[in-house]
Amino acid sequence: DTAVSQTPKYLVTQMGNDKSIKCEQNLGHDTMYWYKQDSKKFLKIMFSYNNKELIINETVPNRFSPKSPDKAHLNLHINSLELGDSAVYFCASSPFNAGVAFFGQGTRLTVV
Amino acid sequence: GENVEQHPSTLSVQEGDSAVIKCTYSDSASNYFPWYKQELGKRPQLIIDIRSNVGEKKDQRIAVTLNKTAKHFSLHITETQPEDSAVYFCAASKNGNQFYFGTGTSLTVIP
Repeated sequence: DTAVSQTPKYLVTQMGNDKSIKCEQNLGHDTMYWYKQDSKKFLKIMFSYNNKELIINETVPNRFSPKSPDKAHLNLHINSLELGDSAVYFCASSPFNAGVAFFGQGTRLTVV
Repeated sequence: GENVEQHPSTLSVQEGDSAVIKCTYSDSASNYFPWYKQELGKRPQLIIDIRSNVGEKKDQRIAVTLNKTAKHFSLHITETQPEDSAVYFCAASKNGNQFYFGTGTSLTVIP
């Protein structure tokens, strides 16, 4: 009955690989997000989707691509992984115009 | 986009004392100001939020204040307990769909 769930929880991979992180929410929310939290704990928004439409795309390398097959899912695909991509990636969702977001448990990505 | 600044970056208080965390934002169109608590290794969790039509909101030991004119808002925790130790993030949101976070405050409550 987890509200926002993402998989995997841990991901260790080599430089140059391609990987995906999945996110699902069962709250019926309209908007989903991906945030990156670096080693200094800073939470930086990467993408958000509202009803399958990308509404934010901050200065994120195009190696990162969000994919939303439906309103309840927002997956993150990363090509050609680099050492600097190592971080914790959080998925989140929010009702439209609600002003609050709810986070998944995070995926700790380590690129070696 | 919005720029949210948060101070202090670290804060240590004795158990029972109060803690105050302050944030400023740049976009006068921001209307929603949630606060999140993140314990070590866990996800950020919403603890309280305030909207632009309200100047103050309180929930037990936690209170938030908002000054729209000065574009700053604050989190106040009274009677702190060791379990309040965590990283706290403020955020600002325009129309509730774009969340920009402050840089976080690591709060340590000393028993």
